[in-house]
Amino acid sequence: DTGVSQDPRHKITKRGQNVTFRCDPISEHNRLYWYRQTLGQGPEFLTYFQNEAQLEKSRLLSDRFSAERPKGSFSTLEIQRTEQGDSAMYLCASSHTGSLDADTQYFGPGTRLTVL
Amino acid sequence: QKEVEQDPGPLSVPEGAIVSLNCTYSNSAFQYFMWYRQYSRKGPELLMYTYSSGNKEDGRFTAQVDKSSKYISLFIRDSQPSDSATYLCAMSGDYKLSFGAGTTVTVRA
Repeated sequence: DTGVSQDPRHKITKRGQNVTFRCDPISEHNRLYWYRQTLGQGPEFLTYFQNEAQLEKSRLLSDRFSAERPKGSFSTLEIQRTEQGDSAMYLCASSHTGSLDADTQYFGPGTRLTVL
Repeated sequence: QKEVEQDPGPLSVPEGAIVSLNCTYSNSAFQYFMWYRQYSRKGPELLMYTYSSGNKEDGRFTAQVDKSSKYISLFIRDSQPSDSATYLCAMSGDYKLSFGAGTTVTVRA
């Protein structure tokens, strides 16, 4: 049973560049979430998918951010025209509805983004 | 005011001591409560999950929920140096988790 995986683990980019992160959820988990965590804070919700449908986006998710889950399996999070304030750990989590612990989200290792 | 308040610590205890962590919350809609452990530069790892008031025990860990006071706790018995990490409380009413800021714990050998 493999857990949630994320790629890349680290990304260093220059301000103004575009970056894309990938998340592979636990197999058969139909919900997938993106969170952002800055130093000394807990993760903050960005968006979530049920299967391929994006059902909610936080107001934290500016127009420069876009997320997709085209086939209801892996997901990508793209940040366009990166800013230094985008530097953070981007976490992906997944869960399975219909189980007793449907709200139990399992997290991946995260992608640490540094914008220079 | 944040929805979930958690004392960031840091907390330092000797090996074998009981670690006591807690969070308060303001949103009455929260009905699922979790504790995650996070090592430096890693993703959060689920420790405990509960949805009812009362105690839930799993090995050395005990989670306590008091919905009337909007207060949750995590106790770690017989703490070990490997328990040194940041502990995050999390809660939800539907699907998205609201986290506390995390408490950094160091268990001294």
